[in-house]
Amino acid sequence: DTEVTQTPKHLVMGMTNKKSLKCEQHMGHRAMYWYKQKAKKPPELMFVYSYEKLSINESVPSRFSPECPNSSLLNLHLHALQPEDSALYLCASSRLVGRKNNYGYTFGSGTRLTVV
Amino acid sequence: GDSVTQMEGPVTLSEEAFLTINCTYTATGYPSLFWYVQYPGEGLQLLLKATKADDKGSNKGFEATYRKETTSFHLEKGSVQVSDSAVYFCALSASNTGKLIFGQGTTLQVKP
Repeated sequence: DTEVTQTPKHLVMGMTNKKSLKCEQHMGHRAMYWYKQKAKKPPELMFVYSYEKLSINESVPSRFSPECPNSSLLNLHLHALQPEDSALYLCASSRLVGRKNNYGYTFGSGTRLTVV
Repeated sequence: GDSVTQMEGPVTLSEEAFLTINCTYTATGYPSLFWYVQYPGEGLQLLLKATKADDKGSNKGFEATYRKETTSFHLEKGSVQVSDSAVYFCALSASNTGKLIFGQGTTLQVKP
């Protein structure tokens, strides 16, 4: 299995809703990432998990709450979002973290989030 | 800090034309270099990579050579197809942190 699977593919939520994005990989990668991507822009790093522990939070607002229940799963809990949070949310994984990576990251197909 | 600069797009070509997308980088040490492609409505796919100077990455007819002397990693393809229409991102993996740093992306549109 060489994929990162994200669900759901599309999500529409109101500003008072609570929802969660899910990400799963079975490649044995020990680093997992959440990115936010606006149209025609590069992905922006939000969070990094290394060996199931949060290692980087790129000053993301608390309405986004990540969780890593085990080495294969990564969740992003959403609460009280704003319309400007509408974007493509990408999950990625990699073999290594903290030093030069010769393999790159494997990205999922993303969740297209619309906040109304 | 480390950074990646790509040529601005969009790039519009006719089918079977030659493609070059320029990418230059600034980095401490010897990063690994990557090209990712993003088709409409999809995530990023690794297209090719090079991990040391003079390495050539290749895949699906695309090529890029790691040029340390010019700090460049230009993407080339001899004959583009309509199906190559996508956004292309150049990226580096920082040698001390492994963090993936992206360029701004270049949109390629290939017309029949």
